[in-house]
Amino acid sequence: SQELEQSPQSLIVQEGKNLTINCTSSKTLYGLYWYKQKYGEGLIFLMMLQKGGEEKSHEKITAKLDEKKQQSSLHITASQPSHAGIYLCRTDSWGKLQFGAGTQVVVTP
Amino acid sequence: EAQVTQNPRYLITVTGKKLTVTCSQNMNHEYMSWYRQDPGLGLRQIYYSMNVEVTDKGDVPEGYKVSRKEKRNFPLILESPSPNQTSLYFCASQAGNTEAFFGQGTRLTVV
Repeated sequence: SQELEQSPQSLIVQEGKNLTINCTSSKTLYGLYWYKQKYGEGLIFLMMLQKGGEEKSHEKITAKLDEKKQQSSLHITASQPSHAGIYLCRTDSWGKLQFGAGTQVVVTP
Repeated sequence: EAQVTQNPRYLITVTGKKLTVTCSQNMNHEYMSWYRQDPGLGLRQIYYSMNVEVTDKGDVPEGYKVSRKEKRNFPLILESPSPNQTSLYFCASQAGNTEAFFGQGTRLTVV
């Protein structure tokens, strides 16, 4: 089955600094989704990437799917307290949704 | 408003007492699925359903049952809960290869 590995597992960033989260797949990605989760709550959809080389931005969050389609990165510019939470990547594999283990982001003053 | 509704949000039960967590979606989605989320393990799929009367095992189906008698509902059944099923559970629905909509979660504790 396809596996997604996220790195880092967690990170602490000072408010105003940038951060990057990576999601690496064991197989070619044909679609990659990013979600954000506040602790103990449901997942909020952020972005979907489907084509190699695709890049999407929403407010201060940018996601890319690399050309070889086995890795995606999520970049947050000038982080704010509202960016704190758990970020998860997800793909589909023959009807099964596979998630990365998540990256916990803490934003300090 | 498009949503996935899970009930209950919180549940404490005793080992062996059958329970059902309900999940309902109002988007006419064909695909629905259940996950459990545990620290360090991320979200793991329990069961999924591609349409009415069609269900398949996910990665961790042991100890769980599901049914899909109608499109909008996809209940998760624990016939004989055990403490290792203490977890945070999520239901989700989606249409085709699109974003999945998640419920708010059910925090289950089995003592």
